[in-house]
Amino acid sequence: SAVISQKPSRDICQRGTSLTIQCQVDSQVTMMFWYRQQPGQSLTLIATANQGSEATYESGFVIDKFPISRPNLTFSTLTVSNMSPEDSSIYLCSVLRSEETQYFGPGTRLLVL
Amino acid sequence: QKEVEQDPGPLSVPEGAIVSLNCTYSNSAFQYFMWYRQYSRKGPELLMYTYSSGNKEDGRFTAQVDKSSKYISLFIRDSQPSDSATYLCAMMNSGGYQKVTFGIGTKLQVIP
Repeated sequence: SAVISQKPSRDICQRGTSLTIQCQVDSQVTMMFWYRQQPGQSLTLIATANQGSEATYESGFVIDKFPISRPNLTFSTLTVSNMSPEDSSIYLCSVLRSEETQYFGPGTRLLVL
Repeated sequence: QKEVEQDPGPLSVPEGAIVSLNCTYSNSAFQYFMWYRQYSRKGPELLMYTYSSGNKEDGRFTAQVDKSSKYISLFIRDSQPSDSATYLCAMMNSGGYQKVTFGIGTKLQVIP
């Protein structure tokens, strides 16, 4: 398994501001992922973050809105920029341990007013 | 049509009941089938995974995959209140890591 922590665990933000979410893993991993989980919707992949390369974004998500950093093999950040109430969601990071095994962090609960 | 369909519930059962959770899918290329359990205010945790068709058992949990019908199931025997959670099915193509497609999740409540 993998121990994954996220900071902050929750936050309430004003529209127009930005929030950076941190994800820390207890061991080195190549692939890290950022997901969004909104009420009534399935987990949606935002981007894949590999160390040493630019993040790969899924359709509907852009780097200007969700910039990602991956400075080393145990850490990544996701920034939610210029927030609006539609960005209220749970944001989850996950890591890949084998082809079929993903482990998720506890999530960051974001409310944008 | 969504690639993966899952009834969001909620599903309420008495303690000790057998629970059946199901997903259907449309992409015949899916080869890996996973079930995640997500407790309230927690991240999803991998419960079971199955490659291709067949059954897999782990304690009180049994995962079944019927690729001919594009239908997967998770059975929970002797359900406990601690099983109360949201269960997400997930699927993936084979051939190295591929993007995982998740169902919406079924919320299960086991009543003591």
